[in-house]
Amino acid sequence: DQQVKQNSPSLSVQEGRISILNCDYTNSMFDYFLWYKKYPAEGPTFLISISSIKDKNEDGRFTVFLNKSAKHLSLHIVPSQPGDSAVYFCAASVGGYQKVTFGTGTKLQVIP
Amino acid sequence: EAGVAQSPRYKIIEKRQSVAFWCNPISGHATLYWYQQILGQGPKLLIQFQNNGVVDDSQLPKDRFSAERLKGVDSTLKIQPAKLEDSAVYLCASTSPSGNTIYFGEGSWLTVV
Repeated sequence: DQQVKQNSPSLSVQEGRISILNCDYTNSMFDYFLWYKKYPAEGPTFLISISSIKDKNEDGRFTVFLNKSAKHLSLHIVPSQPGDSAVYFCAASVGGYQKVTFGTGTKLQVIP
Repeated sequence: EAGVAQSPRYKIIEKRQSVAFWCNPISGHATLYWYQQILGQGPKLLIQFQNNGVVDDSQLPKDRFSAERLKGVDSTLKIQPAKLEDSAVYLCASTSPSGNTIYFGEGSWLTVV
């Protein structure tokens, strides 16, 4: 039972354009959502998070949007840079940032 | 600040053999996790420790996997006997009591042949 779904395994975007990565979840108890970024041969690193009391959180070029009614969140990267090329994991948890459930990841390629 | 340390980075073993992975979390982090990431999938939690006690091991295949954190600092994850489907990256992670994120190590890559 995949509670966190990332239906796009890969995405290619031109440098300078917007990258939009999507994530859907099924467990209505999730109240904390995170995005992690993973380069090859490295562990995932935390990127940005949002709690269910908000619908938007912004950190520099990265913005996460949460639509609780649709059980959907998205990560926007503007402008995209070649160094953003990585696998992005969406994750969710109940009651805080611990014991997160991860999605399957979306591989982003930013083309110079 | 030193990150989460894991060893070995890479291991190739034959099925039915045993293997052990070691993790040293960030200093002061009381919570430690072991995740399994199979190629093409997201990380899956195997076990969570709070200090030296197990908080959650509901997804740990206990017939072949074991983990311990005897002194509440470093931890070992053991697989015995290994199966082909255990081929994965084993990620160790830790969090601090006041932190709001999980810090991952670089992972231990296991190939079972």
